[in-house]
Parts: sequence; structure tokens; C-alpha cells
Amino acid sequence: NAGVTQTPKFQVLKTGQSMTLQCAQDMNHEYMSWYRQDPGMGLRLIHYSVGAGITDQGEVPNGYNVSRSTTEDFPLRLLSAAPSQTSVYFCASSRGGGLAKNIQYFGAGTRLSVL
Amino acid sequence: LAKTTQPISMDSYEGQEVNITCSHNNIATNDYITWYQQFPSQGPRFIIQGYKTKVTNEVASLFIPADRKSSTLSLPRVSLSDTAVYYCLVGSTGGGNKLTFGTGTQLKVEL
Repeated sequence: NAGVTQTPKFQVLKTGQSMTLQCAQDMNHEYMSWYRQDPGMGLRLIHYSVGAGITDQGEVPNGYNVSRSTTEDFPLRLLSAAPSQTSVYFCASSRGGGLAKNIQYFGAGTRLSVL
Repeated sequence: LAKTTQPISMDSYEGQEVNITCSHNNIATNDYITWYQQFPSQGPRFIIQGYKTKVTNEVASLFIPADRKSSTLSLPRVSLSDTAVYYCLVGSTGGGNKLTFGTGTQLKVEL
């Protein structure tokens, strides 16, 4: 059972470049979410989805886009990368009923550097 | 959003009980309290969750006082493998899926 799979594990971008961070889960979870983790800070919610076709903003959504066409996949897009987006990104999935109420299963993360 | 505060770091020895407290003074009625463990280069992993009073599972206990303005994660008889960062999460089950992770407590366990 793979759980939550994130690709790539590492990525280096130049300012202004675009890229998509991939996230897939095989647990048939309704909820999926993206977080960023910066040194000395906790995880901050970027965007989340409560089901296919439904997404919403979290605490720090600016500069990121998401869509959810299937239950399994929830990609995160950076349209024009900025150095401030250098971070470690985590994808998570959970059952329905609320992000905070249910156990979230996290991927291993993508370490992104924007030069 | 509830604001959370945790100690930055704690040190312990194998076999001791470790208590990590998270302060969340403005917790809302609908908020749950959850603790996660994170090892280097891995995503966080669920430890325990509670709403009030005491919750215990096979790895930890969670103590929540009546006013719910803080919570304490208790790890009994820690071992070297418990060296990790521990995060408390406070979040609403109501509309909007608002949640706040603490900044994490680095626990170091030594022989």
C-alpha cells in the first residue's frame, strides 16, 4: 500500500519558471491538502480539496494553483516561481468530515529551491 | 485561527516519561487537538487526537484540561527512536477547515 506519493523529491527552479508538484493517494480519501514547511515554522495550509472538482484556499494560497479532477490526484502548480516559494512541500490525504478532525496521511515531501 | 505555542526543544533519557505542552489560548468550541511526529526527511505522522479530558492509545496519552487552553502530549518510557519533532495541531471541524500547526518541539532522547 503506497499511501500518499509525491513527485519529485527535489527540484531546483529559476525565478519565473513554472512547475507542477504531483501528489497521488491510493486510500480513496475524500480530502487532500497541500502544506509548506519553512524553517522554524509549522506546516501552513496552502490549498485543500474536499472531493473531485472541489478546492478551497488555505492560509497561504497566493502564488499556487490547484485542481482535482480525480479522487486520487491533487497537483500543485507554481505558475511563476519566486524565491519566497523555496520550501518543503507536503501533500496529505484524509477521510471526509474535516481536515482537523481526521487523521491526515502525509507524503514524504518535495524540497523546492527557487534561485 | 487558534494560535499555538510549543517549546522549541526538549531533552530526555531513555526510559523516562516525556511531557510536551502546547498552549492554544484562543481555541474555539469546535476545535480538535491533534499531535503529529516528524522524522527528518519524512512527512508528519499521526500520534493522537482529543477534544477534552484524557485520551490514551498504544503510544501516547493526551491530557486536555477543562478550559482546553492547553494540551499535553505524554510519551511513556521514551527510547532513542522517539527523537523527532512533535507538532500540535488545533483545527476546526466547522466550515472552512481552519487549522494551525504549532512550530514544533524537537525532542532529543539520549542513552
